[in-house]
Amino acid sequence: QSVLTQPPSASGTPGQRVTISCSGSSSNIGTNTVNWYRQLPGTAPKLLISSNDQRPSGVPDRFSGSKSGTSASLAISGLQSEDEADYYCAAWDDSLNGWVFGGGTKLTVL
Amino acid sequence: QIQLVQSGAEVKKPGASVKVSCKASGYTFTNYGISWVRQAPGQGLEWMGWISPYNGNTNYAQKLQGRLTMTTDTSTSTAYMELRSLRSDDTAVYYCARDPGSGRGFDYWGQGTLVTVSS
Repeated sequence: QSVLTQPPSASGTPGQRVTISCSGSSSNIGTNTVNWYRQLPGTAPKLLISSNDQRPSGVPDRFSGSKSGTSASLAISGLQSEDEADYYCAAWDDSLNGWVFGGGTKLTVL
Repeated sequence: QIQLVQSGAEVKKPGASVKVSCKASGYTFTNYGISWVRQAPGQGLEWMGWISPYNGNTNYAQKLQGRLTMTTDTSTSTAYMELRSLRSDDTAVYYCARDPGSGRGFDYWGQGTLVTVSS
């Protein structure tokens, strides 16, 4: 069981806006920033959102992140077929003294 | 350009050890930490630990303490991850990742190394 909770799947049609949630606790998301990663099949993860809502260089502004209390969300607007991937949230956990990940959400573009 | 290039796939027997390397280029190696993350087949990501190439400080995930050692060689800008007493559930793809610190996440990743533990 992952420390952070994500829905196992999400879906949308091209052009739609989808959101992926990530729920944690006071020792991780409630206290520390959240990062989001995207993993295409057979490849290494890629940092998508840093520090709750910051897009690294090269990440389109279709991707946005937010955090409130012990939960965070990733929003993808203008959904494209190439957005089909697994998405993971992550945060530092003060109790475990380490990084914790969500179980991942598989996004399907219908 | 910034790259992390890992060593090749390994097949090990239960009880053996494995050492994976991660050679960094394109940035000052000692200015960033290195974290290791693994992914079992069909599963999610699991953080294993972190090392500072600047001073060798480490922080290992609690469940792996006692079996895991991370080191770096600053002369070759290479990080190493050694896992001992391998079990079948250690079968996974192992990734190294650059860690800029301050909770900003892992901004560059190696290509991954598949470690298979099988008798």
